[in-house]
Amino acid sequence: AQTVTQSQPEMSVQEAETVTLSCTYDTSESNYYLFWYKQPPSRQMILVIRQEAYKQQNATENRFSVNFQKAAKSFSLKISDSQLGDTAMYFCAFMKSFFGNEKLTFGTGTRLTIIP
Amino acid sequence: ETGVTQSPTHLIKTRGQQVTLRCSSQSGHNTVSWYQQALGQGPQFIFQYYREEENGRGNFPPRFSGLQFPNYSSELNVNALELDDSALYLCASSLRGRGTEAFFGQGTRLTVV
Repeated sequence: AQTVTQSQPEMSVQEAETVTLSCTYDTSESNYYLFWYKQPPSRQMILVIRQEAYKQQNATENRFSVNFQKAAKSFSLKISDSQLGDTAMYFCAFMKSFFGNEKLTFGTGTRLTIIP
Repeated sequence: ETGVTQSPTHLIKTRGQQVTLRCSSQSGHNTVSWYQQALGQGPQFIFQYYREEENGRGNFPPRFSGLQFPNYSSELNVNALELDDSALYLCASSLRGRGTEAFFGQGTRLTVV
């Protein structure tokens, strides 16, 4: 079974600063996908960024980037130039790579607060 | 916002009762997954439906059941409600594939008293 661990229950950072959220996972799979989801107070999960394990290049989406270390089973999210709208719960999630499997295994989340 | 809608947004039930939660998938999506998110926790996978059949299940008892309809909308049914069933229930729709993005609804907050 897969497990996802987020060791930072809460973080806060000043607006415009950079913040890094940590995630580690455990799996015996060699190919899989990793995701970061954002859950604002509206409760709706929104995909922030996606990484395919067989791709060595770290994914980037505008101000969001990841540091994927496959051997260390680490998948951290970096938010640059943080904005007030980034305030939310952030969940790291794992998905096995086989056709027809959409099951996500989530971590416990990190509550991020951006301070004006 | 995604095209996934859930109803109702909130409801309160008494222990022992039964409840039905509903989810409309995003247009073009053929797979629906349901998750339970207890307060302060990450979502836990309940089950997944594809072409009206259950296609994967998490560690939940049989009193959690579901349906998927020909239009790909879905229902989650919970029988014999327990206090621990109080949670946010999230529906996610996706297009069957490999590593595809799941689009989530805003959830149904269920409180069992």
